[in-house]
Amino acid sequence: DAKTTQPPSMDCAEGRAANLPCNHSTISGNEYVYWYRQIHSQGPQYIIHGLKNNETNEMASLIITEDRKSSTLILPHATLRDTAVYYCIVRRITGGGNKLTFGTGTQLKVEL
Amino acid sequence: EPEVTQTPSHQVTQMGQEVILRCVPISNHLYFYWYRQILGQKVEFLVSFYNNEISEKSEIFDDQFSVERPDGSNFTLKIRSTKLEDSAMYFCASTIGIVEGYTFGSGTRLTVV
Repeated sequence: DAKTTQPPSMDCAEGRAANLPCNHSTISGNEYVYWYRQIHSQGPQYIIHGLKNNETNEMASLIITEDRKSSTLILPHATLRDTAVYYCIVRRITGGGNKLTFGTGTQLKVEL
Repeated sequence: EPEVTQTPSHQVTQMGQEVILRCVPISNHLYFYWYRQILGQKVEFLVSFYNNEISEKSEIFDDQFSVERPDGSNFTLKIRSTKLEDSAMYFCASTIGIVEGYTFGSGTRLTVV
């Protein structure tokens, strides 16, 4: 699976959009981009995923550049409860295990 | 919203003892996983399970580890002879298909003393 690079930490004011970047310059055509978050020591929580197109759900939007070498997760109106570590994971889909390889992620701190 | 349930939330065991960590995945999910996270470190993949067999395992998942889905609802991780370095949060996860996102449980904190 392709390696990802994320900033170690970011701050965001409550109510503003949080834009979390991820570089995955070695991504292959059959690899998806996934975003998860982990609040304190809880289990990771799935947020969104995409292959080529931009995606939106009730939690967030995922913007993938045309060359697919980077992406941005957007939390449109961040709240204090969005304070968490956010993981960008690139994953090849096969018929096998389809494991997730977690990095160190971005610690997002949402402040008043 | 459906949840992945893990029990117990915290288990303390003596070194060398066997432990079984239990998980109830979401009922219509087909793929099951165990991950662990040592305090302050990354979340690490242990094993994936599909169609009643292991589909992939990591180097961590040695002969001391085993998984089982005994009754179609529970999914268990057994550590045969625990070591101090097995102390970690263990997370169970499930997914309905190979592309969809995982649903993780809230974890079992295993402390080996």
